[in-house]
Amino acid sequence: GESVGLHLPTLSVQEGDNSIINCAYSNSASDYFIWYKQESGKGPQFIIDIRSNMDKRQGQRVTVLLNKTVKHLSLQIAATQPGDSAVYFCAENIGKAGGGNKLTFGTGTQLKVEL
Amino acid sequence: KAGVTQTPRYLIKTRGQQVTLSCSPISGHRSVSWYQQTPGQGLQFLFEYFSETQRNKGNFPGRFSGRQFSNSRSEMNVSTLELGDSALYLCASSLSGSGWGYNEQFFGPGTRLTVL
Repeated sequence: GESVGLHLPTLSVQEGDNSIINCAYSNSASDYFIWYKQESGKGPQFIIDIRSNMDKRQGQRVTVLLNKTVKHLSLQIAATQPGDSAVYFCAENIGKAGGGNKLTFGTGTQLKVEL
Repeated sequence: KAGVTQTPRYLIKTRGQQVTLSCSPISGHRSVSWYQQTPGQGLQFLFEYFSETQRNKGNFPGRFSGRQFSNSRSEMNVSTLELGDSALYLCASSLSGSGWGYNEQFFGPGTRLTVL
């Protein structure tokens, strides 16, 4: 896969700094939110997810915050490394009986880590 | 465990032709979803198949269709190709039982389709 190019918002950070990537989602009925990372030449890779009944979840070096009041999601990356350079997408899923996936993706943010 | 594989990786077609793309999910995964990725529209959901049945569908015209086989492998077909169909087509698989809610998806590398 290849990253979406051309008109993505870009976040440039220094190596070792913390990164915060923001996302506004659209549907108040969404029950799962996921962050994906897409590197050039690859498909999206799962980073972390959060259910709608939570407001914070932590993983290794990453934290996702969910604010349902303003329909806002953020991804915090601690001690950003050069390998974190990629396009980051948020996605929302609306659950339904019978299960299944139907993700709606955000436009993506290009993260550039400067040495 | 092998990841999701997609074939072919690159494809060039002309307007009016049709195309079939293939996706082999991770072993044991029964759900396969397809997405279209373009610079203008980003990542958009096409459809999801589970147990050989289409379970969810996005907002694409009927020229876009798919199917799933008993071994969970999936194909998607685009008929009467248009220039705007040029995109990266991504397949994702998940375990996805019948329970409510999201199941983690694993994406393949995609098929780059160019329509001339």
